[in-house]
Amino acid sequence: DPKIIQKPKYLVAVTGSEKILICEQYLGHNAMYWYRQSAKKPLEFMFSYSYQKLMDNQTASSRFQPQSSKKNHLDLQITALKPDDSATYFCASSQEGGGADTQYFGPGTRLLVL
Amino acid sequence: GQQVQQSPTSLVLQEGENAELQCNFSTSLNSMQWFYQRPGGSLVSVFYNPSGTKQSGRLTSTTVIKERRSSLHISSSQITDSGTYLCAIRTGGYKVVFGSGTRLLVSP
Repeated sequence: DPKIIQKPKYLVAVTGSEKILICEQYLGHNAMYWYRQSAKKPLEFMFSYSYQKLMDNQTASSRFQPQSSKKNHLDLQITALKPDDSATYFCASSQEGGGADTQYFGPGTRLLVL
Repeated sequence: GQQVQQSPTSLVLQEGENAELQCNFSTSLNSMQWFYQRPGGSLVSVFYNPSGTKQSGRLTSTTVIKERRSSLHISSSQITDSGTYLCAIRTGGYKVVFGSGTRLLVSP
């Protein structure tokens, strides 16, 4: 059974619309993360949460808003979508975060903005 | 400049050959992890190795903190080893920085 679930697997959106990417982890971890990978750039760190609190935000745009309703959920809301937002978005988790621990990745959501 | 640099950018091997992948980082680190990314996207942790040498089957990782480098050695490569290998460091706090990866192609 997959331990980190990301939904949907594929997503097509129109410019200007809003979408929510879902992430749930069943590893019992306390830290969760979002990353973005586009064709032009290496995997980029976006956000980290620990015990449902935002710990680090490396995303310049406020159009990207993480939402944590439960400890094992970290969704990503993206508003006013642009074609440049097209990428694969990966969710990850680790036991504690912040220090020395292994991260585990979900399968990703591929977003295409037209 | 880039905090994490990987080399080579790409590598083509014949099945059975060995590979040495390098990761150099420009800052001190708290943790270092190697990932394998399958063609098609998902990442799998290969090693968590902040220092020293670790081995798992045909894979060996060596991280030398004072030299700010880590290597991933693949012995007797197989076609199924093909994909992209990424190294990632955490320098403190919660941010993780990835290298651009080494694309490995193992041919029969």
